[in-house]
Amino acid sequence: QAGLTQPPSVSMGLRQTATLTCTGNSNNVGNHGAAWLQQHQGHPPKLLSYRNDNRPSGISERFSASRSGNTASLTITGLQPEDEADYYCSAWDSSLSVWVFGGGTKLTVL
Amino acid sequence: EEQLLESGGGLVQPGGSLRLSCATSGFTFSNFALSWVRQAPGKGLEWVSTSSGGNRWYADSVKGRFTISRDSSKNTLYLQMNSLRAEDTAVYYCTKPGNDAFEIWGQGTMVSVSS
Repeated sequence: QAGLTQPPSVSMGLRQTATLTCTGNSNNVGNHGAAWLQQHQGHPPKLLSYRNDNRPSGISERFSASRSGNTASLTITGLQPEDEADYYCSAWDSSLSVWVFGGGTKLTVL
Repeated sequence: EEQLLESGGGLVQPGGSLRLSCATSGFTFSNFALSWVRQAPGKGLEWVSTSSGGNRWYADSVKGRFTISRDSSKNTLYLQMNSLRAEDTAVYYCTKPGNDAFEIWGQGTMVSVSS
């Protein structure tokens, strides 16, 4: 079951802006939108956004998500040391009736 | 507060079986889908299975070997894992999907398959 495509790593400086991408197809991201998860080492994932651009309560406004066609993006502004983590995108694939994940992007804050 | 608590992980030999449990609280169990997602050591997230109403879905990698079930009287989700392989070694998370996303996650339980 093919997954979503994410760059393995992104590095940006403190207080800068990072944009992470996630590419799928018309059966998953393009149709159902994407969700973004943050995972710190040794901890379970935490939902950051859902249905492309919605933030759960308690998630900082520094995290914003969007979608264009089959590609979803997560933008993190004003990078902080605690933003250093692995970020995963996910989507429901209605053609395969499976959930798919991206391989994850490791964000390093320099 | 919605909570998920996994248990049942451990060390098992290849070909063996294990049953994971996920005790839930804070929401009406029978009204919501529940899923299992795993993460092999140092690797990414992999969806395993989802139970919703009378429907069940499985990843190809576990189809025919794993069975998801739920007990509404105990508000508990299960994952029966048979014919375990080394590549099934992972942390197994119980998660509650909603709004086309995995909204709530448990802390996970480790399964190690090794001789």
